Amino acid sequence: KQEVTQIPAALSVPEGENLVLNCSFTDSAIYNLQWFRQDPGKGLTSLLLIQSSQREQTSGRLNASLDKSSGRSTLYIAASQPGDSATYLCAVRVQGAQKLVFGQGTRLTINP
Amino acid sequence: NAGVMQNPRHLVRRRGQEARLRCSPMKGHSHVYWYRQLPEEGLKFMVYLQKENIIDESGMPKERFSAEFPKEGPSILRIQQVVRGDSAAYFCASSQTSGINTGELYFGEGSRLTVL
Repeated sequence: KQEVTQIPAALSVPEGENLVLNCSFTDSAIYNLQWFRQDPGKGLTSLLLIQSSQREQTSGRLNASLDKSSGRSTLYIAASQPGDSATYLCAVRVQGAQKLVFGQGTRLTINP
Repeated sequence: NAGVMQNPRHLVRRRGQEARLRCSPMKGHSHVYWYRQLPEEGLKFMVYLQKENIIDESGMPKERFSAEFPKEGPSILRIQQVVRGDSAAYFCASSQTSGINTGELYFGEGSRLTVL
């Protein structure tokens, strides 16, 4: 059974810092991994999608890496801003099934 | 290009009533997924549907819950005889493809069910 873990559960940093969010998964048989952002009371916004054959994806100040063999992904946020404050969710698409398995999320607070 | 549309955004029901949640996928998407987010918990998969077919309902409670995605119209998640434990945010997502070339999932804003 696939399990996804995100560490830390919460993170608070001053504005301008670079930071890394971690995601680990127990079964490397995945189609892809997706990072989402969720603001309070809102839906999920897709940030980055990494296919199982890829090592990383970049979008603006965000960079996500994938090491499938070790079951790890990281989301790197450069030059953090208060607007980046949100919960960040990592999810893997399980091979042989179509469902996404989500981690519990990292609640990020960027302090001005 | 409208995103995934869910309605109602908020729904209040008394115990024993029925709740119907609707989801219109993004244009061109034929794969629909329902997820539930309980308070202070992560998102849990419920069901995956294609037009007129339930493909995977392994996350759906065996009783009181049902889902459909008819040939015409939105996907509907139906909860009969609601109980307080059904209070949650229900998210719908859609994608264009499945399988090894699986694309991104796009999520709606969610429907927040409160059972009194």
